[in-house]
Amino acid sequence: AQTVTQSQPEMSVQEAETVTLSCTYDTSESDYYLFWYKQPPSRQMILVIRQEAYKQQNATENRFSVNFQKAAKSFSLKISDSQLGDAAMYFCAYRPPGAQKLVFGQGTRLTINP
Amino acid sequence: EPEVTQTPSHQVTQMGQEVILRCVPISNHLYFYWYRQILGQKVEFLVSFYNNEISEKSEIFDDQFSVERPDGSNFTLKIRSTKLEDSAMYFCASSHNRPGQGPGGSNQPQHFGDGTRLSIL
Repeated sequence: AQTVTQSQPEMSVQEAETVTLSCTYDTSESDYYLFWYKQPPSRQMILVIRQEAYKQQNATENRFSVNFQKAAKSFSLKISDSQLGDAAMYFCAYRPPGAQKLVFGQGTRLTINP
Repeated sequence: EPEVTQTPSHQVTQMGQEVILRCVPISNHLYFYWYRQILGQKVEFLVSFYNNEISEKSEIFDDQFSVERPDGSNFTLKIRSTKLEDSAMYFCASSHNRPGQGPGGSNQPQHFGDGTRLSIL
């Protein structure tokens, strides 16, 4: 069964610093999709960044980037120059090929210290 | 930017009663989803819906659950006879194309609503 694991229930970082959130997953597939979603206290989950497994290049969206290690089945999220508005629950998600469902990790609560 | 909207934000229901959770997906989206998150646990997929029929469902989505798109805008999740363990946050989501298809291929993210907190007493 496909599973997603986020081993850090909580993380904190100083404003303007860099933080990395960990995510590992288990799958026997070779072509799949990975996502990071952010859920601020207002509750709506917002897509932060996405990665196709067939692409070797790590995805980047402004201050957000991923370190995708396919062999290690690792998909970490790096947030550079952390801002107060980055405080949220972050969910890593996996989508199998040909499927519509997302398989989520447990989430990491990120706190930004001013 | 268009959003997925869910109503109500909080629903309190007696055990055994029927409950309907409502969602208005983004207007040009074609695929619709329900997920749930029991307090302290992972977000879990329930069902996806396309062209007026269920396209994928999880083991959680048993006979007590049903989904419907009664008109051109609403997407509902009905729980026929609620149990205490149905207490959870329920999230609706929508996407424009089938994941993996369309312009951008897999870059068709699911857009989520704020969720409805369902409390079964």
